[in-house]
Amino acid sequence: KQEVTQIPAALSVPEGENLVLNCSFTDSAIYNLQWFRQDPGKGLTSLLLIQSSQREQTSGRLNASLDKSSGRSTLYIAASQPGDSATYLCAKNTGNQFYFGTGTSLTVIP
Amino acid sequence: KAGVTQTPRYLIKTRGQQVTLSCSPISGHRSVSWYQQTPGQGLQFLFEYFSETQRNKGNFPGRFSGRQFSNSRSEMNVSTLELGDSALYLCASSLVAAATGELFFGEGSRLTVL
Repeated sequence: KQEVTQIPAALSVPEGENLVLNCSFTDSAIYNLQWFRQDPGKGLTSLLLIQSSQREQTSGRLNASLDKSSGRSTLYIAASQPGDSATYLCAKNTGNQFYFGTGTSLTVIP
Repeated sequence: KAGVTQTPRYLIKTRGQQVTLSCSPISGHRSVSWYQQTPGQGLQFLFEYFSETQRNKGNFPGRFSGRQFSNSRSEMNVSTLELGDSALYLCASSLVAAATGELFFGEGSRLTVL
């Protein structure tokens, strides 16, 4: 059974702090991994997509890494801002289907 | 470039009724996937359509069905609604089959079953 775990479930940090969100998954068979953010009552916004052949991807203040052997991905957010407050979800793609984590709810305090 | 459009955004139904939700993918995208999101279960995969064919199906009862039209627009239908069907239904489109591409989501359709 595919399982994707995100810890912690909630995180609160002061503005300006750098932070890391964790995503772990069972079964190293992975096609790609995608990170999303979701604002309350809204759909998911794609942040970064990492192919299984890549180790990391960067977009602005965001950097995502992928370690297939340990079944882990991290999303690094630099210099956090109040606008970064949202729920962040990772999704593992097995090549047949996406499996989503339950998310980390991030609050950045001004 | 327009994003993924879902209609209606909000709807209220009563138990036993049926509902149809619509999803228009990003222009040029051929894959549409549907997900159910609830506070207790998170995001769960319903099914994926690619070039009008159901490519994959999640573990949901037969009351949940879908289809895709030649213009890639998709609809999902839930018959004999139950209270537990209350959820945010999300549609995602992908340029290629979802399992090999990047997913782009719509804003969702919030269904409340009374």
